[in-house]
Amino acid sequence: SQTIHQWPATLVQPVGSPLSLECTVEGTSNPNLYWYRQAAGRGLQLLFYSVGIGQISSEVPQNLSASRPQDRQFILSSKKLLLSDSGFYLCAWSAYRVGTGELFFGEGSRLTVL
Amino acid sequence: SQQGEEDPQALSIQEGENATMNCSYKTSINNLQWYRQNSGRGLVHLILIRSNEREKHSGRLRVTLDTSKKSSSLLITASRAADTASYFCATDLGGANNLFFGTGTRLTVIP
Repeated sequence: SQTIHQWPATLVQPVGSPLSLECTVEGTSNPNLYWYRQAAGRGLQLLFYSVGIGQISSEVPQNLSASRPQDRQFILSSKKLLLSDSGFYLCAWSAYRVGTGELFFGEGSRLTVL
Repeated sequence: SQQGEEDPQALSIQEGENATMNCSYKTSINNLQWYRQNSGRGLVHLILIRSNEREKHSGRLRVTLDTSKKSSSLLITASRAADTASYFCATDLGGANNLFFGTGTRLTVIP
């Protein structure tokens, strides 16, 4: 069966520090991968998606970047965090080739920037 | 906005009662999905209904879709305390990056 792992679960970082959140998927090949951010009490905002190794699409201009160095690994990074980067970050994968289809989410990473 | 909008924003019911949540959207869709999120956790996919379907069941869940009104409803029958969570609708417009989430309905089921 497929599983998705996301870490760290909780992170408290000072403004201006770097960030690296990692996500890996097991049990499937060539998944579509996604990074979402959820502000408190709000819906999800798509940040990045990837349909293959090295293929990253950004949905919103921001202080963050994403990379996909391996088929089932997706990394969210920042060189210098801003206060506004605080939030709940969710990685997800989909097996669909046409459309997004069902998304399978990790448990999330809560980032607090102080 | 292409996001779905859930109604109500919050719902509190007694255990055993039925819970109904509604979702409205603005554009044509490929499918509509419902997700559940327990506090501080990731989202869990509940059910997907395609644009050519009108109703779908899964256990205690019943989803309807009215594409002419651009709306969907999620019914949870015989609710349990464990159903307490936020529920989100998401509209799939048919592209790899075209799944748009609403802001959710917070359901509280009182034992």
